Amino acid sequence: GQSLEQPSEVTAVEGAIVQINCTYQTSGFYGLSWYQQHDGGAPTFLSYNALDGLEETGRFSSFLSRSDSYGYLLLQELQMKDSASYFCAVRVLNTGTASKLTFGTGTRLQVTL
Amino acid sequence: DSGVTQTPKHLITATGQRVTLRCSPRSGDLSVYWYQQSLDQGLQFLIQYYNGEERAKGNILERFSAQQFPDLHSELNLSSLELGDSALYFCASSVARATGELFFGEGSRLTVL
Repeated sequence: GQSLEQPSEVTAVEGAIVQINCTYQTSGFYGLSWYQQHDGGAPTFLSYNALDGLEETGRFSSFLSRSDSYGYLLLQELQMKDSASYFCAVRVLNTGTASKLTFGTGTRLQVTL
Repeated sequence: DSGVTQTPKHLITATGQRVTLRCSPRSGDLSVYWYQQSLDQGLQFLIQYYNGEERAKGNILERFSAQQFPDLHSELNLSSLELGDSALYFCASSVARATGELFFGEGSRLTVL
């Protein structure tokens, strides 16, 4: 099976930078995704890393180290609207050539004034 | 708006009953995924279909079944409902068979009384 660990809650101040870490244990690993979910809303795709390194998309960046089974999501210039839950998800081999996306339990980010 | 449509948005039913949740993927997307999210829990992968065929299977109970029709819409059937089946059921879609980027619908909130 797969296991993913991420902090359950993080609090940061508006305008600051926050890093949400994700460690995983799995076989048949293909890549790491990040999703944002506001209360009562649908998960929204943020990023996907298949290779080691940093991917930047606006205020959000995502990092992956396959050798360390570790990744993080970096949010810069935090805004109040960034208050949400953030999920890491691993794309892993399911059966045959099929893969599946398995989600962690999420990190609730609260941005304060 | 992700372009993924789920109906109904809310559903209240009794234990032992059967319900059907419907999902229309984004135009052009061939893959449909079903996820279950219980209160304060992560997203549990249930099943994936690609172009009408079952592609990957997760922790889907035997009381649950799904299918994808020729027009690519999908239905998730939940039978012999139990209180613990109360959850948000999300459908997601993607163009590719295997990807870390999924587009989620707004979900169907099922309450079993």
